[in-house]
Amino acid sequence: AQTVTQSQPEMSVQEAETVTLSCTYDTSESDYYLFWYKQPPSRQMILVIRQEAYKQQNATENRFSVNFQKAAKSFSLKISDSQLGDAAMYFCAFLTNSGAGSYQLTFGKGTKLSVIP
Amino acid sequence: NAGVMQNPRHLVRRRGQEARLRCSPMKGHSHVYWYRQLPEEGLKFMVYLQKENIIDESGMPKERFSAEFPKEGPSILRIQQVVRGDSAAYFCASSPQGTSSGANVLTFGAGSRLTVL
Repeated sequence: AQTVTQSQPEMSVQEAETVTLSCTYDTSESDYYLFWYKQPPSRQMILVIRQEAYKQQNATENRFSVNFQKAAKSFSLKISDSQLGDAAMYFCAFLTNSGAGSYQLTFGKGTKLSVIP
Repeated sequence: NAGVMQNPRHLVRRRGQEARLRCSPMKGHSHVYWYRQLPEEGLKFMVYLQKENIIDESGMPKERFSAEFPKEGPSILRIQQVVRGDSAAYFCASSPQGTSSGANVLTFGAGSRLTVL
């Protein structure tokens, strides 16, 4: 079974500082996709960043970047110059082949990020 | 583009009643996914539908739960004879095509929160 583990239930960061959220996963597949989603108090699920496993280069979206270590099955999210609006739950997700004709996102349990003014 | 629309945002039911949750995908999207989020948990896949077809229902409970996506109108997630354990946030997502390539990223709605008294 595919699993996604986020070992930090809660994290906090000072405004304008940098924070890294951890994520590890387990799979026997060689080609897959990884995602970070943000869920603010409004509960809306917002895509933050995406990484294709076949790409060695780490994905970057403005202040958000990932450290993808395929051999270690690690996919951490770095948020630079943290802003108050970054406060939210962050979910790591892994796109898996369900074997039933579709692909499914498997989510970790999330990390609650607080930003301190 | 109104995005993925879910209603109701909040639904309260007594044990034994029926709950119906509706999802209108983004314009141009023909693939719909339902996920459930229990308290303090990540989202878990329930079902994947295309117009008039259930493609993958491997995450759906065997009893009381059903889903449809008719040719006209929204997708419906139906829960019969609700129990307290059904209390959760139910998220709908859509994509223009299936997620087999990973390139068709899911767009999520804001969720429907079901509370069973």
